[in-house]
Amino acid sequence: GAVVSQHPSRVICKSGTSVKIECRSLDFQATTMFWYRQFPKQSLMLMATSNEGSKATYEQGVEKDKFLINHASLTLSTLTVTSAHPEDSSFYICSARKRDRGTETQYFGPGTRLLVL
Amino acid sequence: GQQLNQSPQSMFIQEGEDVSMNCTSSSIFNTWLWYKQDPGEGPVLLIALYKAGELTSNGRLTAQFGITRKDSFLNISASIPSDVGIYFCAGADTGRRALTFGSGTRLQVQP
Repeated sequence: GAVVSQHPSRVICKSGTSVKIECRSLDFQATTMFWYRQFPKQSLMLMATSNEGSKATYEQGVEKDKFLINHASLTLSTLTVTSAHPEDSSFYICSARKRDRGTETQYFGPGTRLLVL
Repeated sequence: GQQLNQSPQSMFIQEGEDVSMNCTSSSIFNTWLWYKQDPGEGPVLLIALYKAGELTSNGRLTAQFGITRKDSFLNISASIPSDVGIYFCAGADTGRRALTFGSGTRLQVQP
């Protein structure tokens, strides 16, 4: 199997603070991880692609200085929401890409629910 | 940009019925994936399809990768209450590693 974990599962913070979310691939190495955001009753929206050892690639409209991504190892990517505001409240989900015998599949973490007061 | 049209948006069925949902794309994908998402959880991979025309089963679930590489369907046979959730299709191509997601099909099963 392929297991991806996220921590924390939920976080409540005050406006203006920074929040760090961790995404780990537990039983495989992932050179590429992805960060998504999901609003209620909507599909997943890709925020950025996290590449091990290099800069992340952000989707149009996503502020790279606000959503800092670090992919320092083959099993860990972090997303830091800097100076969070209420409009940043959402469900953040990461995924990790697994390569296996010429095929590629993405496995998702359980998500992190962020509430900014 | 790429778009995935997923239908139906929602379904309300009786336990034991079969379910079918599909996705169509305006462009070609090399991989089709089907996920299920429960409330407050991340998507869980159900079936992965890598070849045009491929038909793959996972228990009561069956999915096919369309010959044109622009569509895929997912069938659930003999539905049970735990099938309740949101089902997403997702496509990937070689040029863009990130997945493109469908809008989801919300399934409700009446016991």
